[in-house]
This record gives sequence, C-alpha cells and structure tokens, in this order.
Amino acid sequence: DIVMTQTPLSSPVTLGQPASISCRSSQSLVHRDGNTYLSWLQQRPGQPPRVLIYKISNRFSGVPDRFSGSGAGTDFTLRISRVEAEDVGVYYCTQATQFPYTFGQGTKLEIK
Amino acid sequence: DVQLVESGGGLVQPGRSLRLSCTTSGFTFGDYAMSWVRQAPGKGLEWVSFIRGKVYGETTEYAASVKGRFTISRDDSESIAYLQMNSLKTEDTAMYYCIRDPAGGSYWGQGTLVTVSS
Repeated sequence: DIVMTQTPLSSPVTLGQPASISCRSSQSLVHRDGNTYLSWLQQRPGQPPRVLIYKISNRFSGVPDRFSGSGAGTDFTLRISRVEAEDVGVYYCTQATQFPYTFGQGTKLEIK
Repeated sequence: DVQLVESGGGLVQPGRSLRLSCTTSGFTFGDYAMSWVRQAPGKGLEWVSFIRGKVYGETTEYAASVKGRFTISRDDSESIAYLQMNSLKTEDTAMYYCIRDPAGGSYWGQGTLVTVSS
C-alpha cells in the first residue's frame, strides 16, 4: 500500500499569514496514464470532507484562489496564501493512483 | 447542482447486515466511477470500495479490511450506488461517505452513520 505522510500534523497560523502543508508518498504517484492522482481535501468541523485541489494543482470548482497545490512524483505541497477564519479544519492529502486508495493522517489548521 | 445523498445507516448488532444507498442527481451517473470512504469517530479517512462505470465492466475494488464482507454495486437507471455490508464488526463503526469520481475533482456526500454495537 502507498503510505501518505503529512507534515506538520498541527499548524497554528495567524490570520492573514500564509500556511503550507507537505505530503510525501512512499511510492511515485504517477499513474501509467501519465496523470498524478494526488488530491487535497478540507474538512471543516462537523462537515464532510470536500475537494480543494485534484491532480496536484487543479483547483476544484468554487475553491478560492488563495489555495494552491504543487509537487511531483512523491512530494507535494498545499499552500494557503492568506489564512482566513473559515480555513480552520483538518486537511488531508489522498492518492487515487493505485488501489487501495490511501489518505494522509490529516493536518489540523488552527488560528493562533 | 451535483448532489449525493447517503442513507441506510443506523445501529446494528455485530454479525448483522446493512445496505447503504447513495442517491445522486445533477450529473450523468453512468459516466462516473463511484467510491465509498469511511471515517471512524474522531479518526481519519479510510477508503472502503470502488466501482467503475459500465464502459469498464462495473468492476470493483475493496479495502482488505472489508473484502469478502462488503459488496459495492450500482444502478445506473436510478443513479444510485450501494454498499452491502455483511458480517459487521464493531470496528466498522464510522460515518460512510459516497464519492463521485475519487480520482478527479470529486464530489462527496454528507455521509450516513453506521454504529455496530450489541
């Protein structure tokens, strides 16, 4: 199974300041079709997860442009350019390149 | 608008069965793969199962923890995905989410809670 490792697991951030979360996979996430199926999810308190970014850097419909994704192969990053209060929650990276699909442990974003 | 609504959760005794449904609207259901993911209380996310569309033979995949006990299926005429869960264990207690197209820009439902307890 592909292991997804996120750092940090907790991230206290000041409003208006940037934040970043790293995700490393135990194997390359490049699929045989040439795509890299790495997504970032946000789960606000009491809510279901929702997709922010898919295929490394594609922002999902309705996601603010302060969220961006980058990376390649086994190393990926989610960046928030200026954290807002509504960004509080847990962020997960996930891979859909190989079965079983797997998730990172989650990174809790909180406001200082 | 794309909508996915899960139902069928509840309290069930260990060893019993439950069938979850994911009723969808707002898109051409048959064009998409569907998946189920669960989240135990206070824990992270765990992928459970996946089914391809008719074009790909509606083939399925399962997590090792549920293989042989759970069965995913789909009814394209009704735009519904199902998860039949047999021989339930206490460790299957979780919120179960239905997902459209887990590899791409996926949509998630609100979830249905399954509690396995005597």
